[in-house]
Amino acid sequence: EPEVTQTPSHQVTQMGQEVILRCVPISNHLYFYWYRQILGQKVEFLVSFYNNEISEKSEIFDDQFSVERPDGSNFTLKIRSTKLEDSAMYFCASSRDSDTQYFGPGTRLTVL
Amino acid sequence: EDKVVQSPLSLVVHEGDTVTLNCSYEVTNFRSLLWYKQEKKAPTFLFMLTSSGIEKKSGRLSSILDKKELSSILNITATQTGDSAIYLCGLHGSSNTGKLIFGQGTTLQVKP
Repeated sequence: EPEVTQTPSHQVTQMGQEVILRCVPISNHLYFYWYRQILGQKVEFLVSFYNNEISEKSEIFDDQFSVERPDGSNFTLKIRSTKLEDSAMYFCASSRDSDTQYFGPGTRLTVL
Repeated sequence: EDKVVQSPLSLVVHEGDTVTLNCSYEVTNFRSLLWYKQEKKAPTFLFMLTSSGIEKKSGRLSSILDKKELSSILNITATQTGDSAIYLCGLHGSSNTGKLIFGQGTTLQVKP
């Protein structure tokens, strides 16, 4: 059964460094998302992406964040200058028709 | 603003018990409601509900939507220790980009 994959599973970085989180969505899906979950809190929407552009972003998704689909299979989330409060689990999700979303296993980001 | 509230926040039962998890929502424009099971990491999809009163069933799990009451329930019969997880309710509401708004989750622990 096809699934969403994410790499790395755990990323440790120093405050102020740039990180890139990678996702490979399910191959025939057209809608892509990033969510994050700070430890013990709700899963929060960050951004949705369709037709090679951002379709919606949350207040959390400020100028430090960007997304890209560089090659038709990968979907990346970049954080330009990480802050301590960016420490969280980041989930990528994809869907065929903006309804049922399938989530990847997540990347745990730790900012020191 | 769309909102999702789940109850109870946590629940401890013994194997064989039946549990009912609740999800209430506030939304301007309802599209669908989704249930996910989150074990160690990624939320895994359980059900998507769009129509009131139609039960979705998968093995010992079932779910139903009540649009009049703005709520949904997830039932698990004959619980097993493997059902121990966080159950998330996600609302696909006013946004047409597929964005999901999640509740806090219900943590279910099933004791042997």
